[in-house]
Amino acid sequence: ELKVEQNPLFLSMQEGKNYTIYCNYSTTSDRLYWYRQDPGKSLESLFVLLSNGAVKQEGRLMASLDTKARLSTLHITAAVHDLSATYFCAVAGTASKLTFGTGTRLQVTL
Amino acid sequence: GAGVSQSPRYKVAKRGQDVALRCDPISGHVSLFWYQQALGQGPEFLTYFQNEAQLDKSGLPSDRFFAERPEGSVSTLKIQRTQQEDSAVYLCASSLQIEETQYFGPGTRLLVL
Repeated sequence: ELKVEQNPLFLSMQEGKNYTIYCNYSTTSDRLYWYRQDPGKSLESLFVLLSNGAVKQEGRLMASLDTKARLSTLHITAAVHDLSATYFCAVAGTASKLTFGTGTRLQVTL
Repeated sequence: GAGVSQSPRYKVAKRGQDVALRCDPISGHVSLFWYQQALGQGPEFLTYFQNEAQLDKSGLPSDRFFAERPEGSVSTLKIQRTQQEDSAVYLCASSLQIEETQYFGPGTRLLVL
């Protein structure tokens, strides 16, 4: 059974600081996704990572994938308040069923 | 273009009542998924369709849950004899093909009293 763990569960950081969210998964997969969810809203797709060593960047967010370690990271550079949200990683299993991590609630303070 | 839409956005049901939740996927998307998201948790897979065929329903929590997509477009998730533990947000997602990115709708927040 595919299990996905994220840490930390909650992250409070100051504007301008850098931090990394970690996502570990238990079995081999060929696709890993990062989604953002604002309170009361649905999930917004941020990145899809398809291969070992893949790195994608969009603005202040950068995601990477190490399939050998079964680890993905989401790095936040110089955080701004607008990045406050819950971030989920999701790993594709059989038939593209997504297994989600528990989410990391990010709060960026002034 | 239009994204995934779901209705109703909110539903309050009395325990024992039947409910039906609707999902309109992005036009042309072949694959459709249903997920359940409990408060403070990540979404959990319920079932998925490829066109009108329901290919996996392994995540449905009980036989009170039933999903259909008769014409390969709109899908309905039905919950019979609702229980309090069914209270959650039900998310629908669609993708162009099975291995493509899933795009999520706004969800239906179900509260069973």
